[in-house]
Amino acid sequence: IQMTQSPSSVSASVGDTVTITCRASQGINGWLAWYQQRPGKAPKLLIYAVSTLQSGVPSRFSGSGSGTQFTLTISSLQPEDFATYYCQQSNSFPITFGQGTRLEIK
Amino acid sequence: QGQLVQSGSEVKKPGSSVRVSCKSSGGIFRSYGFSWVRLAPGQGLEWMGGVLSISGTPNYAQKFQDRVTLSADESTSTVYMELSSLRSDDTAIYYCARGRIGYKVGGEGNYFYGLDVWGQGTTVTVSS
Repeated sequence: IQMTQSPSSVSASVGDTVTITCRASQGINGWLAWYQQRPGKAPKLLIYAVSTLQSGVPSRFSGSGSGTQFTLTISSLQPEDFATYYCQQSNSFPITFGQGTRLEIK
Repeated sequence: QGQLVQSGSEVKKPGSSVRVSCKSSGGIFRSYGFSWVRLAPGQGLEWMGGVLSISGTPNYAQKFQDRVTLSADESTSTVYMELSSLRSDDTAIYYCARGRIGYKVGGEGNYFYGLDVWGQGTTVTVSS
């Protein structure tokens, strides 16, 4: 299953709201997660099962979608949110990630 | 919570093999699935393979099917990834990650709850 994210990169300012889209090449039954990766750090799980926030993740992160189209929304951007974000499907093997969306400070 | 601690950086010659270890702590070792993911320079995250249980059959990405071997030692709560026939484009940071397994109605399992604990990463450099 191919996962396609858009945009590949986005520039935004602190306080803005950003939406990242992830499209699956076929239905994934909601087995979708989102990760954040800061430079030099390991990925961090933000959301699983499309919209369930991982424990400890701020509520400004939210996920939605169904079928083959999913979104990650980050509201009221904070300085620590500037990172690369990946979607990942685990509906079937092999597990696949999107190509990543780099969120940069404007 | 939980923690995964990986072995240190490696420098390897083309054609050789590398074995990376990942020691798990916190929680019950055999209750988790473990996966290996790599990040090559300028690239995105790439899933290499994983197990849904330490006693289960590994699943591999087709790209690595013939070169990667996953194993586990329950006595030390450690999982291992060995990659053979190394090439320069295998230069990357290799991560182990673990997650709880969810099951569909038909019994098929996978990482429904995501990969929630990650190792710190092991840099593997392949150079002659």
